[in-house]
Amino acid sequence: GAVVSQHPSRVICKSGTSVKIECRSLDFQATTMFWYRQFPKQSLMLMATSNEGSKATYEQGVEKDKFLINHASLTLSTLTVASAHPEDSSFYICSAPGLENTEAFFGQGTRLTVV
Amino acid sequence: GEDVEQSLFLSVREGDSSVINCTYTDSSSTYLYWYKQEPGAGLQLLTYIFSNMDMKQDQRLTVLLNKKDKHLSLRIADTQTGDSAIYFCAESISNTGKLIFGQGTTLQVKP
Repeated sequence: GAVVSQHPSRVICKSGTSVKIECRSLDFQATTMFWYRQFPKQSLMLMATSNEGSKATYEQGVEKDKFLINHASLTLSTLTVASAHPEDSSFYICSAPGLENTEAFFGQGTRLTVV
Repeated sequence: GEDVEQSLFLSVREGDSSVINCTYTDSSSTYLYWYKQEPGAGLQLLTYIFSNMDMKQDQRLTVLLNKKDKHLSLRIADTQTGDSAIYFCAESISNTGKLIFGQGTTLQVKP
C-alpha cells in the first residue's frame, strides 16, 4: 500500500517555541492531507484538511493561527504548532486518502510534549 | 452530525474470541474501518468493509456489518496477548477520505 512518512515521531519542546511536523507521501501524490489530534485516552479528532496549493480548512474550535498548515507540493504537508503550550501536548497524526477515497494512509504520528 | 460509538473496554482470556462492537450514524458512509493502536504507537489498519457488504473475513478477523442498524463488529478468533491494544472503528464521511473515529475499545487479553 501507499506510504505516508511523518517526522518527527517524538518531540519535546519548551513552552513558547514552535514545532513543525512533516508528512510526506512517498510513492503517490497526495493532493489532500488530513491532520488529526489525539489527547491521552481519547479518540482521534480531525483538526484540519490541507489541500495542495490552497488554504487549509479547519474544524470548528481549532485555532488556525496556532496550527499553521502548509501544503506546498503534492508530496509534502506540514503542520506547525506556533508558540506551543503544555495544553498542546498531544499525539498528532496525518493521513492521505487513497484512490477514490477508499482507504486512508496514516503517518506514524508525532508525540508532542511541551514543557 | 456524524458520530461513532464504541464500548470502552473488553477483557478476554487468551484463546477465546473477542467481539468489539461499534455503532455509527452516517448512513452515507461508503467504507467502515477497524484500526489497531498499540501503546505509544500510530494506527495500524486491520481491515475495512465496503458498505454494501455484510461480512468480511481475513484470517482471524471477521467483520460483520448490519447497515440497517448501523452496527459494525470485529471478531478476533483465538485472541492472543499480542492482540492487546486499543481498537478504533471509523467511518468515512461521504467518500471524502475524512474519517470519524469512535472512542476506541481497549482490549485486554489475560494469559
